[in-house]
Amino acid sequence: KAGVTQTPRYLIKTRGQQVTLSCSPISGHRSVSWYQQTPGQGLQFLFEYFSETQRNKGNFPGRFSGRQFSNSRSEMNVSTLELGDSALYLCASSLENVGKRNSPLHFGNGTRLTVT
Amino acid sequence: EDQVTQSPEALRLQEGESSSLNCSYTVSGLRGLFWYRQDPGKGPEFLFTLYSAGEEKEKERLKATLTKKESFLHITAPKPEDSATYLCAVRNSGAGSYQLTFGKGTKLSVIP
Repeated sequence: KAGVTQTPRYLIKTRGQQVTLSCSPISGHRSVSWYQQTPGQGLQFLFEYFSETQRNKGNFPGRFSGRQFSNSRSEMNVSTLELGDSALYLCASSLENVGKRNSPLHFGNGTRLTVT
Repeated sequence: EDQVTQSPEALRLQEGESSSLNCSYTVSGLRGLFWYRQDPGKGPEFLFTLYSAGEEKEKERLKATLTKKESFLHITAPKPEDSATYLCAVRNSGAGSYQLTFGKGTKLSVIP
């Protein structure tokens, strides 16, 4: 079974630009979450989607946004990039059914974003 | 606010030298405590879920335990391939979210 796939693996952008990252969850998983990982802050929650609806959002500015499509694939967008947005962006999916509300998150290998 | 603190930040062990990693947590209602392993350049890989105090889970040389305030990841006779960063995370029992709150991890190095 294929794991969580994130594209692209690496991105280099300039301050002020915008970027879109893509995530394909494990087949059958309808819940998709995004996390930002930096050496100083560790993994921080960005947002979570289920059935095309944002269910929860972390404490990030409005420049960070996302969406989920009907096939459960998800994208996140960062507008007006800042140097501090340089990080590893991780997508995770989870199998969510009645009686499985404690299913773990399964992570992709991330997109490494560098803002110069 | 949920909080997770892991210690030590880094640990160097000789091959075969057993030890434990600590994860202290504060959460209003624990729905689950999760352990992950992360190798450089990769995403976290799921290891265990623990749900209630007293629970234990084992996988090869790893054993995770849970109390009401802490979790321990015991590594028995580690090998160099166990070198990685180990992450602990908690899920709050608040309805409608799969959000995890992570600790900053323990970087384990096992020296041959």
